[in-house]
Amino acid sequence: SQQGEEDPQALSIQEGENATMNCSYKTSINNLQWYRQNSGRGLVHLILIRSNEREKHSGRLRVTLDTSKKSSSLLITASRAADTASYFCALISSGSARQLTFGSGTQLTVLP
Amino acid sequence: DVKVTQSSRYLVKRTGEKVFLECVQDMDHENMFWYRQDPGLGLRLIYFSYDVKMKEKGDIPEGYSVSREKKERFSLILESASTNQTSMYLCASGIITTSSYEQYFGPGTRLTVT
Repeated sequence: SQQGEEDPQALSIQEGENATMNCSYKTSINNLQWYRQNSGRGLVHLILIRSNEREKHSGRLRVTLDTSKKSSSLLITASRAADTASYFCALISSGSARQLTFGSGTQLTVLP
Repeated sequence: DVKVTQSSRYLVKRTGEKVFLECVQDMDHENMFWYRQDPGLGLRLIYFSYDVKMKEKGDIPEGYSVSREKKERFSLILESASTNQTSMYLCASGIITTSSYEQYFGPGTRLTVT
């Protein structure tokens, strides 16, 4: 299936450092989204980037999309302990208007 | 704020039991979704619905059915629970426009089938 693959699977950094997570996929997409999940909770939408966009910002988040490489990255700047969570990329492929396909996620731990 | 609620946070059922997982959203969204989440596999779509009484199979519909009698409520049914259906179940709702598409998730139901 058209699943995004996150990299790395787990990331541990110190508070104040930047965290970068990557997502690669295989086929054409309409848009790509990033979600966050705190332990034992539902997912929360963070940001959406369309296939014709290259970069998008939201607060301390920066998302890039390279459709030629079929990859996206999520950068969290000046990380905080409260950023500790799992982060998922989710794709809407060109052939599906409604269905999101999620990757397996990156577990980020920010140490105080 | 959008609110998606699920009927139970934790549920323990026996093999062969019929299980109902309920999901309610308060934002008049047309689209509702059921996922299961397992370690290392991410979220996998079981079923979704884009209108009352309409449903479509996701990636892993086997062993599940759904019901959408009212716009705000989407139920997931395990006709005869099996141990391989032990998982975290997440419900989501969302609205799709030309400028936005995001899903709002409930807190999840952790189902254990013994």
